[in-house]
Amino acid sequence: TQLLEQSPQFLSIQEGENLTVYCNSSSVFSSLQWYRQEPGEGPVLLVTVVTGGEVKKLKRLTFQFGDARKDSSLHITAAQPGDTGLYLCAGENYGGSQGNLIFGKGTKLSVKP
Amino acid sequence: GAGVSQSPSNKVTEKGKDVELRCDPISGHTALYWYRQSLGQGLEFLIYFQGNSAPDKSGLPSDRFSAERTGGSVSTLTIQRTQQEDSAVYLCASSLAADISYEQYFGPGTRLTVT
Repeated sequence: TQLLEQSPQFLSIQEGENLTVYCNSSSVFSSLQWYRQEPGEGPVLLVTVVTGGEVKKLKRLTFQFGDARKDSSLHITAAQPGDTGLYLCAGENYGGSQGNLIFGKGTKLSVKP
Repeated sequence: GAGVSQSPSNKVTEKGKDVELRCDPISGHTALYWYRQSLGQGLEFLIYFQGNSAPDKSGLPSDRFSAERTGGSVSTLTIQRTQQEDSAVYLCASSLAADISYEQYFGPGTRLTVT
């Protein structure tokens, strides 16, 4: 069974601080996606990384896919209260059935003003 | 444009009753997915439809769960003889099958409470 472990599970920081959340697995994924979910809503896709070692930036968010395509990180610079939410990583099931994304349990981020 | 819509947004039912949850995907998206999200947990894959192919039912937790997708568009997830452990948020997502990264667009979910 493929699993994605996310850490930390909870993170509470002050506005302006930097943070990094991690998504790790012993399995290889052909692509990995990061989503953000706010209370009462469905997850919203932030980015997809496909190539080992790939780095993508989305304003103050930097996403990295590990060289071996088994892990990923999300770094937020100068966090703002609007960044508050549940951050989920999801790996595309390598060689498995199409469309089956394996989701981590998420990191719940709270940014206090 | 219109996103993925789900109805009802909330459903409270008594143990043992059947429930139907509806999902309207984004127009033109050929792939449709159902997930379950329990409190404090990630998303649990339930079932996946791709065009006219047989659905991937590998995530359904028991034979009380079933889903249909009529006309390649709207989908209904049915839970028979509901149990308290079925209480969760049920999320639907759709995607363009032609997208090799299978990026999924989610609806707001249906919060199911079984009393």
